[in-house]
Amino acid sequence: GEDVEQSLFLSVREGDSSVINCTYTDSSSTYLYWYKQEPGAGLQLLTYIFSNMDMKQDQRLTVLLNKKDKHLSLRIADTQTGDSAIYFCAEADSGGYQKVTFGIGTKLQVIP
Amino acid sequence: GAVVSQHPSRVICKSGTSVKIECRSLDFQATTMFWYRQFPKKSLMLMATSNEGSKATYEQGVEKDKFLINHASLTLSTLTVTSAHPEDSSFYICSAEDTAKREIDTQYFGPGTRLTVL
Repeated sequence: GEDVEQSLFLSVREGDSSVINCTYTDSSSTYLYWYKQEPGAGLQLLTYIFSNMDMKQDQRLTVLLNKKDKHLSLRIADTQTGDSAIYFCAEADSGGYQKVTFGIGTKLQVIP
Repeated sequence: GAVVSQHPSRVICKSGTSVKIECRSLDFQATTMFWYRQFPKKSLMLMATSNEGSKATYEQGVEKDKFLINHASLTLSTLTVTSAHPEDSSFYICSAEDTAKREIDTQYFGPGTRLTVL
């Protein structure tokens, strides 16, 4: 079945860039997502990219997709303490963008 | 933005009892809701798709008689864990799709329910 892997923890200093990496196994992945979860809150969709794209930029967020290596990354520029959260990589195949497979989540800690 | 609530946020129950978890879309209608489960140090796994007015669709390996889903209105889906066992202890998260929009970025997640079965 589909599998999405990401590292468990990342610590960065405020003002630095954060890069969270993810790999997936499903070659038919069509939609790739990054979600953010703050304590006590639901998952919030940060951004998404279609499999026919290489890159997507949205303000401080840059998503890079290497489809050949099935590698997805999220770069947060000028990381702030408010960015501290758990970030989930996720994918869905052409069967429907709603049926999402998630990674385990990477906890981002921003040090002031 | 759209809000999805879950109730309760935490529940502790004894083995053999049943527990009901509610998922509500607060400011939009949701024909379709999804139930996920997260084991410790594991990723979120889709359990079932809940459809208003019809039977839920369960993912492979999920016991439909164990995890009863009812989606009786456009804003409420319930997940009942029947005859709970300690191995059912987990974090359950629901999501709801905004029926009026049905776009890739209109699936909203609840904050989750932590179930502990003693």
